[in-house]
Amino acid sequence: GQQLNQSPQSMFIQEGEDVSMNCTSSSIFNTWLWYKQDPGEGPVLLIALYKAGELTSNGRLTAQFGITRKDSFLNISASIPSDVGIYFCAGQLNNYGQNFVFGPGTRLSVLP
Amino acid sequence: GAGVSQSPRYKVAKRGQDVALRCDPISGHVSLFWYQQALGQGPEFLTYFQNEAQLDKSGLPSDRFFAERPEGSVSTLKIQRTQQEDSAVYLCASSLGAGGPTDTQYFGPGTRLTVL
Repeated sequence: GQQLNQSPQSMFIQEGEDVSMNCTSSSIFNTWLWYKQDPGEGPVLLIALYKAGELTSNGRLTAQFGITRKDSFLNISASIPSDVGIYFCAGQLNNYGQNFVFGPGTRLSVLP
Repeated sequence: GAGVSQSPRYKVAKRGQDVALRCDPISGHVSLFWYQQALGQGPEFLTYFQNEAQLDKSGLPSDRFFAERPEGSVSTLKIQRTQQEDSAVYLCASSLGAGGPTDTQYFGPGTRLTVL
């Protein structure tokens, strides 16, 4: 099936640092989503991207839909302890399907 | 609460047992999704309902997996003759509309199934 790759797999940063993570695929996607999952909880949607080249912000979070439609990145500025968690990208291949393909996640740890 | 709820939160089953996992979506949400999340992986799509109609079950891994949503609200995912490889967190999500790309999915906390 379709696969998404996320990098880095995990990262440790100091509080206050900026973070960048990305997601790539061999397939073209029409929609990219970024989710955060806390332990014992379901994923929560952070940002949704619908057009190639689109750059969208949500507070300290910024995400971009790659021009090739095969990648996306998520940046977090001035990290805080509550940013700890697993960040998943998810892509949808077409505008009519209902299922999304999720990446394996990037685990973020923030050191005080 | 106002979110998606799932029960039980944890389930331990002996290999070969049948299990039933329940999802209560957000009231009024048309679409309901089931995902399987193995340890250290992202969620994988299992099946999708629009009201009571199961429109996509392409992700169900075998005929031991069965899902229903008879009245268009609560859904049950049933796994028959559980195997160790079925051990995972099973996530349910619901969305207000027909489940298109702009229709935000809200996830429940999941049911962690452990098959011994």
